Amino acid sequence: AQTVTQSQPEMSVQEAETVTLSCTYDTSESDYYLFWYKQPPSRQMILVIRQEAYKQQNATENRFSVNFQKAAKSFSLKISDSQLGDAAMYFCASEGGGSNYKLTFGKGTLLTVNP
Amino acid sequence: DAGVIQSPRHEVTEMGQEVTLRCKPISGHNSLFWYRQTMMRGLELLIYFNNNVPIDDSGMPEDRFSAKMPNASFSTLKIQPSEPRDSAVYFCASSLQASPQYFGPGTRLLVL
Repeated sequence: AQTVTQSQPEMSVQEAETVTLSCTYDTSESDYYLFWYKQPPSRQMILVIRQEAYKQQNATENRFSVNFQKAAKSFSLKISDSQLGDAAMYFCASEGGGSNYKLTFGKGTLLTVNP
Repeated sequence: DAGVIQSPRHEVTEMGQEVTLRCKPISGHNSLFWYRQTMMRGLELLIYFNNNVPIDDSGMPEDRFSAKMPNASFSTLKIQPSEPRDSAVYFCASSLQASPQYFGPGTRLLVL
């Protein structure tokens, strides 16, 4: 079974500053994927970034990047130059990989961006 | 692409009534997922289909819940009879094999 833990229920950041959201996971799979999803007040679940476990290079999408530490089973999300539109609930998730497509989500971190 | 389409967006019903939620996945995607989101339990996978076949329904809470995928472009999640504790946001998501799952806008269900 997979578990995903987000230890920060809430975080805040000043506009234009950088913030890092933490996530740890546990899995018995050797081949898996990790994701960050964003859920703004509209409730839409929006994919932010994806990391394949077999890739050592950290994934990057514009202002969003991850710090993937496979041995430590850690997968943090860094948001640079934070914008007001980044305010949302952020969910870390793991997928088993192979033929196991099930996503397991953490409880989420509510990010507030202060102007 | 229109993305994953869900209907209705909001549903208010009375306890004991049948509720049917609908989902149209992204064209070409072969995996479809139903999730439920509540404050208490967070996001939970209820069931997922691959090539229209149910693969894992271990998250379906009880026999009152059923899901079907009659073809590659349509799925339903049915609750009969509904109970107040079923109130939640229900998401449908689709993916192509190991590609990321893309979520629909969700259906907010309130059972009175």
